Amino acid sequence: KNEVEQSPQNLTAQEGEFITINCSYSVGISALHWLQQHPGGGIVSLFMLSSGKKKHGRLIATINIQEKHSSLHITASHPRDSAVYICAVRPNYQLIWGAGTKLIIKP
Amino acid sequence: EAGVAQSPRYKIIEKRQSVAFWCNPISGHATLYWYQQILGQGPKLLIQFQNNGVVDDSQLPKDRFSAERLKGVDSTLKIQPAKLEDSAVYLCASSSTSGGAYNEQFFGPGTRLTVL
Repeated sequence: KNEVEQSPQNLTAQEGEFITINCSYSVGISALHWLQQHPGGGIVSLFMLSSGKKKHGRLIATINIQEKHSSLHITASHPRDSAVYICAVRPNYQLIWGAGTKLIIKP
Repeated sequence: EAGVAQSPRYKIIEKRQSVAFWCNPISGHATLYWYQQILGQGPKLLIQFQNNGVVDDSQLPKDRFSAERLKGVDSTLKIQPAKLEDSAVYLCASSSTSGGAYNEQFFGPGTRLTVL
């Protein structure tokens, strides 16, 4: 079993829809990261969380340490949000990466 | 603030040739990471430096891959000789530390390597 599981693996939605991507992990962590990778592009760090909730523009990330679960939400989704969203957890000096969720937003 | 710089952006070589990648992290970031990302997969950590010391190189194929960060700033990753399966994007990232904890990683644009 992978230490970091993301769901769904693939998600296609219409522009304007509310998007939720989930991340569950099985190890104790000091922080959880959400990252975004566009096709052919580099990786951009969206959030680093150790508790609670963070918001940046239309993106919201939450984490429940007791349940070992985090969610990334996108409000009013737009085609430019199409990318792979990756959850990564930090139990120590290492990052353990999820497989990513490929999101496609159709106009 | 300047981001993480990598060069070259693209490289095509034949198998058994050698190649080197360069990374300049964000100024002041003590931690530098090299990742390999094969198409369709998540990044795999090859090596992590803290200043000029190696923290983790357990997944670095040491028979052909080498990396150095001599002055604790920029870094080079070398492959010698390259194999077909080395075709991937090589990502460099850096992060600062505070109170012993690692902060978020900032990624460079990557170097796309194609081995023919």
